[in-house]
Amino acid sequence: NAGVTQTPKFQVLKTGQSMTLQCAQDMNHNSMYWYRQDPGMGLRLIYYSASEGTTDKGEVPNGYNVSRLNKREFSLRLESAAPSQTSVYFCASSGVQGDTEAFFGQGTRLTVV
Amino acid sequence: GNSVTQMEGPVTLSEEAFLTINCTYTATGYPSLFWYVQYPGEGLQLLLKATKADDKGSNKGFEATYRKETTSFHLEKGSVQVSDSAVYFCALLYSGGYQKVTFGIGTKLQVIP
Repeated sequence: NAGVTQTPKFQVLKTGQSMTLQCAQDMNHNSMYWYRQDPGMGLRLIYYSASEGTTDKGEVPNGYNVSRLNKREFSLRLESAAPSQTSVYFCASSGVQGDTEAFFGQGTRLTVV
Repeated sequence: GNSVTQMEGPVTLSEEAFLTINCTYTATGYPSLFWYVQYPGEGLQLLLKATKADDKGSNKGFEATYRKETTSFHLEKGSVQVSDSAVYFCALLYSGGYQKVTFGIGTKLQVIP
């Protein structure tokens, strides 16, 4: 039972490069999330998907795009990376019942130089 | 909208001291409430949860009670250990037609021998 799987675990990009962070869950969850975590800022929601085919902006969507490819997969794309996007990125998912907690991936540590 | 307010850290305690981390929330309806823990270099994992008023969640010596009248879900532990050093996040799950998780800013706990 893999839960939520994120790839890659580490990435270094040059300013202006693009990349896609991949996330997949095997728990048949409807909702999926992308967060970034920065020192002193807690978890900030980038984008959210309540179900396959829908996405919504969170607190800090600028500079990112997402795709809910199917029920399992939710990817995050940086089109033109900036140093301000240096962060740890977490994908999460949650289920259909009201008391189902969110499950997290192990995170991607991204450095933009 | 829904929000979670959590005491800012860091909190530094001596081993065997009593721990309280305050958490209050604002939400429509009846959310579920959670405490997550993040150990250094890892993703978030569920510590405990409560799904309705007056429920008490407990795990690994930690407890929190869902108090609807004060909209609070404070985390407590009677005797902390060095191994409890981590970042603790309070969260609520809204499920009024769709699922969405909202997190507090996180409180860093450092326990010294």
